[in-house]
Amino acid sequence: GENVEQHPSTLSVQEGDSAVIKCTYSDSASNYFPWYKQELGKRPQLIIDIRSNVGEKKDQRIAVTLNKTAKHFSLHITETQPEDSAVYFCAACISGGYNKLIFGAGTRLAVHP
Amino acid sequence: DTGVSQDPRHKITKRGQNVTFRCDPISEHNRLYWYRQTLGQGPEFLTYFQNEAQLEKSRLLSDRFSAERPKGSFSTLEIQRTEQGDSAMYLCASSFEVEQFFGPGTRLTVL
Repeated sequence: GENVEQHPSTLSVQEGDSAVIKCTYSDSASNYFPWYKQELGKRPQLIIDIRSNVGEKKDQRIAVTLNKTAKHFSLHITETQPEDSAVYFCAACISGGYNKLIFGAGTRLAVHP
Repeated sequence: DTGVSQDPRHKITKRGQNVTFRCDPISEHNRLYWYRQTLGQGPEFLTYFQNEAQLEKSRLLSDRFSAERPKGSFSTLEIQRTEQGDSAMYLCASSFEVEQFFGPGTRLTVL
């Protein structure tokens, strides 16, 4: 069935280090892959997304890569800061549309000063 | 605030009662989505509207759940005969094209 797996579930890094979160998806028709950041008690916030016609996208310290053949996509955060600490969710839009998002289970990132 | 808004933010109810939540999307957004999020999990898709038409509904959504978007603007989600397993955060999102923006959610606690 429709599924997005996300790893790791928790990630602890020192300030200034890089963090990488990886996701795999099952629906080969998926064409849109957003990433959300959720701080405790707050709404999920869209931080970056990528569409299937692009292999990589970068926005300042954040980048996302997509490998459609392997059905993998990853979030890369460089020069991490304490304010990057949050839960990060990957998602995939299934069935070739742009409507139904299937989310991963989340990665709790802790950035230690 | 021009973002997605939801009301109420918190709801405590007794098992068996009906509850209704409201979502006001970003004004120019024609698509509206409802998700449910339990502790430690990602949001789970419930249903989706384009304008006033409900175009998709999760197979996981029981008959006790119903959603409406009568004029293509705000939406309501009703849960009838609530059960303890319905306790969760109910999130609404809206989009104009692709990017979905979430509201703050309504946290439901069923006692």
